[in-house]
Amino acid sequence: EAGVAQSPRYKIIEKRQSVAFWCNPISGHATLYWYQQILGQGPKLLIQFQNNGVVDDSQLPKDRFSAERLKGVDSTLKIQPAKLEDSAVYLCASSLGRGRGVGTDTQYFGPGTRLTVL
Amino acid sequence: SQQGEEDPQALSIQEGENATMNCSYKTSINNLQWYRQNSGRGLVHLILIRSNEREKHSGRLRVTLDTSKKSSSLLITASRAADTASYFCATDTGFQKLVFGTGTRLLVSP
Repeated sequence: EAGVAQSPRYKIIEKRQSVAFWCNPISGHATLYWYQQILGQGPKLLIQFQNNGVVDDSQLPKDRFSAERLKGVDSTLKIQPAKLEDSAVYLCASSLGRGRGVGTDTQYFGPGTRLTVL
Repeated sequence: SQQGEEDPQALSIQEGENATMNCSYKTSINNLQWYRQNSGRGLVHLILIRSNEREKHSGRLRVTLDTSKKSSSLLITASRAADTASYFCATDTGFQKLVFGTGTRLLVSP
């Protein structure tokens, strides 16, 4: 079974530029997550989709970050404009999404995109 | 915000020794999960323990959960060099939303 795919793996941009990341979840997984992991810290959830609807985006900096999930499958995360503090690894994860409140779904993570903002 | 705090932040042991990592969290949970992250790779799910469970085993892994103290521990027995990685606890407070801790960096020397 193919895992979660992400691209690109690495990206270097200058501040105030725009950048987009792509994620293809495991086939059949209804729930998709984007996390931001700053060096030396644990991942922080940015946004959670259930199919193509947003479940939680409370920690997404909406003035510069946006995300969409096309037809409930692939997803893109965009930053516009980027700031120095956005340098991090952006992780995408997916899970079966068997129902809210069950709390037993295993999340499967992609390899991440390492973003460096200069 | 980080929910969990792992202790110690870093741990260095020899192959064959046991490694114990602790996690403390702040709010009520549905379950607590442990993940491993190798250098340059994504996170890999290791084990999940539900809030009504006290102990769980998986191979060389043993996880305990004390909800009264809001703490968990991960024990890796007979460690190997391949166990070198960062280990994170993550709490699920509902709706499959995970809040990760700060991580423990484990180094296992041959």
